[in-house]
Amino acid sequence: DAEITQSPRHKITETGRQVTLACHQTWNHNNMFWYRQDLGHGLRLIHYSYGVHDTNKGEVSDGYSVSRSNTEDLPLTLESAASSQTSVYFCASSESGAPYGYTFGSGTRLTVV
Amino acid sequence: DAKTTQPPSMDCAEGRAANLPCNHSTISGNEYVYWYRQIHSQGPQYIIHGLKNNETNEMASLIITEDRKSSTLILPHATLRDTAVYYCIVRATNQAGTALIFGKGTTLSVSS
Repeated sequence: DAEITQSPRHKITETGRQVTLACHQTWNHNNMFWYRQDLGHGLRLIHYSYGVHDTNKGEVSDGYSVSRSNTEDLPLTLESAASSQTSVYFCASSESGAPYGYTFGSGTRLTVV
Repeated sequence: DAKTTQPPSMDCAEGRAANLPCNHSTISGNEYVYWYRQIHSQGPQYIIHGLKNNETNEMASLIITEDRKSSTLILPHATLRDTAVYYCIVRATNQAGTALIFGKGTTLSVSS
């Protein structure tokens, strides 16, 4: 069965380190998204991609970057981790033209100490 | 995209219908109403969407007022597993692929 997987599920990193969160989907979806979720803020969009080599900034993109070299993967990189980036990160994918068909991963809990 | 307003929290007894309101008074003619929910610690899950007609699927019903300025998501027989945050999102059809923007939603608590 097709799926979307995030790794790792939990990560602890130190302030200033670069860290990359992985997102892999086997739905063959063109669209992929990264969100972060903090208490009191709900889900906030970080970056998104409509296809290979396409990336776009979302609501809270500062300090984050993404690259899309193939359809299946959209890794999220924190260039220099900060304590304010401690959060739960969700990846999602959708088929173009199907705005209802968002499939979310199980999330990555990142702690920056 | 039009903004939506939802109550921050609601309670419902198990087995009763849960009616979750959403106000979207600035909705445009080409904008759909989408509902997602997020059960604790999990990723959001799509529930239902509609344009102007009422919609029903195996999970819920969506009632949209005639002027389309508000809608109600109905869970006909709420169970404890329906305890979640419910998000109402409005988005235009010509923005296929445009990322969903989530508000704070309504926290529904179902109790026995």
